[in-house]
Amino acid sequence: RKEVEQDPGPFNVPEGATVAFNCTYSNSASQSFFWYRQDCRKEPKLLMSVYSSGNEDGRFTAQLNRASQYISLLIRDSKLSDSATYLCVVKSNDYKLSFGAGTTVTVRA
Amino acid sequence: SAVISQKPSRDICQRGTSLTIQCQVDSQVTMMFWYRQQPGQSLTLIATANQGSEATYESGFVIDKFPISRPNLTFSTLTVSNMSPEDSSIYLCSVVFTVRTGELFFGEGSRLTVL
Repeated sequence: RKEVEQDPGPFNVPEGATVAFNCTYSNSASQSFFWYRQDCRKEPKLLMSVYSSGNEDGRFTAQLNRASQYISLLIRDSKLSDSATYLCVVKSNDYKLSFGAGTTVTVRA
Repeated sequence: SAVISQKPSRDICQRGTSLTIQCQVDSQVTMMFWYRQQPGQSLTLIATANQGSEATYESGFVIDKFPISRPNLTFSTLTVSNMSPEDSSIYLCSVVFTVRTGELFFGEGSRLTVL
């Protein structure tokens, strides 16, 4: 079983829609969680860290469910510029990160 | 925010040759890593670049194939040796600025194509 698993998508949504997707992780001792965004042919960029209580950054909301070992990302009022691949990243020890394969989101006009 | 510069940004190389990728950060960082992202796949950690000592390699990666240097806290190199087409990939330098948060930041990547 992979350490981090994501639905690859693609999620095709119209502008203004809400889209949400999850990521599951296998190591119950995982300590930190992140969502990264990767545009085509670009490097991953940190979108947001995921806190235990859940957190929101503008139109983006991240949730953590430790009991079921998953994190989620919700994008409200989708913009064309939100089209990207979203990588789930889990940190299990001091520095080593495990990356999911990514969820592709395409927002259409 | 700090800048992480990688070069070359892309290269096309012949089988059997070697290529060295450079990573320069404009501030001192404790933790620096090298990742690989093969086409259509996620990121795989190659090694942790340790300042002043040998890099720590992940399973499946060896020093002879991917020698790494890290002479100081702002600079590292990754060499891809004796290249084959299977080495065609994006190679990414990454750093952690704040150990407490563990947030990883990436250079722009070096896209390598081996013919």
